[in-house]
Amino acid sequence: EPEVTQTPSHQVTQMGQEVILRCVPISNHLYFYWYRQILGQKVEFLVSFYNNEISEKSEIFDDQFSVERPDGSNFTLKIRSTKLEDSAMYFCASSTGGAGKNIQYFGAGTRLSVL
Amino acid sequence: GNSVTQMEGPVTLSEEAFLTINCTYTATGYPSLFWYVQYPGEGLQLLLKATKADDKGSNKGFEATYRKETTSFHLEKGSVQVSDSAVYFCALSANFGNEKLTFGTGTRLTIIP
Repeated sequence: EPEVTQTPSHQVTQMGQEVILRCVPISNHLYFYWYRQILGQKVEFLVSFYNNEISEKSEIFDDQFSVERPDGSNFTLKIRSTKLEDSAMYFCASSTGGAGKNIQYFGAGTRLSVL
Repeated sequence: GNSVTQMEGPVTLSEEAFLTINCTYTATGYPSLFWYVQYPGEGLQLLLKATKADDKGSNKGFEATYRKETTSFHLEKGSVQVSDSAVYFCALSANFGNEKLTFGTGTRLTIIP
């Protein structure tokens, strides 16, 4: 069964460093998403991406964040200068799209630890 | 804006007990409703969904009915198993385009033999 793949599973970084989280969505999907879950809190939407551009972003997704689909298969989330409060589990999701068909499939997540 | 209010956890039940996890929502229009499950160390998996009022989603013995009059989507299972131990998330998305999912806080369920 096709699945969304995320790498790495755990990323440890120093505050102020740049990190790139990688995702390979399901191959025929057109819509891509990033969510995050701070430990013990709810899953929060960060950004959605379609047709090589951001379609929606939350207030969390500030100038420190960016997304890219560099090669038609990968979908990346970059944090330019990490803060302690960026420590969270980051989930990538994808869907085929279409009104009423927004079933999003999630990867296993990348746990980001900022020290 | 849209929001989901979910029964606080954690919930601990004995095997074969009846399960209910409450979920209510606030949304404009007619959202689609979902239950996702997160097993230890894994990502979110879609458990079931309903896209319009009075629809019943079901999977693996779990059921939830989309109740527009009470804006609810409660998750039920008649007889839980140890393997059902996980965190359960109620979520909604606007039923047009490809809107983001809005999640509840999650309910951790532990089933003891």
